[in-house]
Amino acid sequence: NAGVMQNPRHLVRRRGQEARLRCSPMKGHSHVYWYRQLPEEGLKFMVYLQKENIIDESGMPKERFSAEFPKEGPSILRIQQVVRGDSAAYFCASSTLNEKLFFGSGTQLSVL
Amino acid sequence: AQTVTQSQPEMSVQEAETVTLSCTYDTSESDYYLFWYKQPPSRQMILVIRQEAYKQQNATENRFSVNFQKAAKSFSLKISDSQLGDAAMYFCAYRRLGGSQGNLIFGKGTKLSVKP
Repeated sequence: NAGVMQNPRHLVRRRGQEARLRCSPMKGHSHVYWYRQLPEEGLKFMVYLQKENIIDESGMPKERFSAEFPKEGPSILRIQQVVRGDSAAYFCASSTLNEKLFFGSGTQLSVL
Repeated sequence: AQTVTQSQPEMSVQEAETVTLSCTYDTSESDYYLFWYKQPPSRQMILVIRQEAYKQQNATENRFSVNFQKAAKSFSLKISDSQLGDAAMYFCAYRRLGGSQGNLIFGKGTKLSVKP
C-alpha cells in the first residue's frame, strides 16, 4: 500500500506563472489536507477536501489559490500568478474519517 | 486565536540518554487534542504521540512519553534511550475538539541532534 504521493518533488516557476501541485492519497483514503511550510516555520493548514467537496478552506488565501479533489484522480493545489512569497514547501496529508493523518514528502516550490 | 510555542529552536542529546522537548500553547477551549510530529530529512511528517485534553493520564508510545500539564498549558515530549534515528525536527501541534481533522496549529519546531 503506497503512501501519500506528491509530485513533483521540486517545482520552479517564474513570477506570474501557474503552479499545479498534485497529491495522490493513500488507497482507501477519501480525505485530503493541504499545508504550507515556510522556512523556519511549522506547517500551516490551508484546506481540507473530501471527494468533490471542499470541507474547510479557512487557511486558504482568498486570491490566486484553489484546490480540488475530483472523483477520479489526484487532489490538485493550484496557485495562479505566483509571486516570490509563494516559495515554500507544500505538504499533503490523507486519512479516513476521524483517523490518523498520513503525510506526503511535500513539493518544494521555488519562484524566481 | 490558539497559538503553539516551542521555545527551543535546537536541542542535542547523547545517544542512549534522555531529552525533553518543550511546548506551550494558548487556548480558551477546555477540550482539544495535542500532538507531537517528527519531520526527518525526508520531510514526511510522522505522528509520534497524541494526547486528548480530557484525559489526565499522560500518553506513552514506547520510548516517547509526554508530560501534559493542562493548567499550565504545557505539553513536553520526553524521548528516552535516544537513538540516532531520532534526529529530526519535532513539531508540537494543537487541534480544537470540534475542528476538522487536519486543521492543526503547529509550533515552529525544535531541531533535535543525536550524538553518537
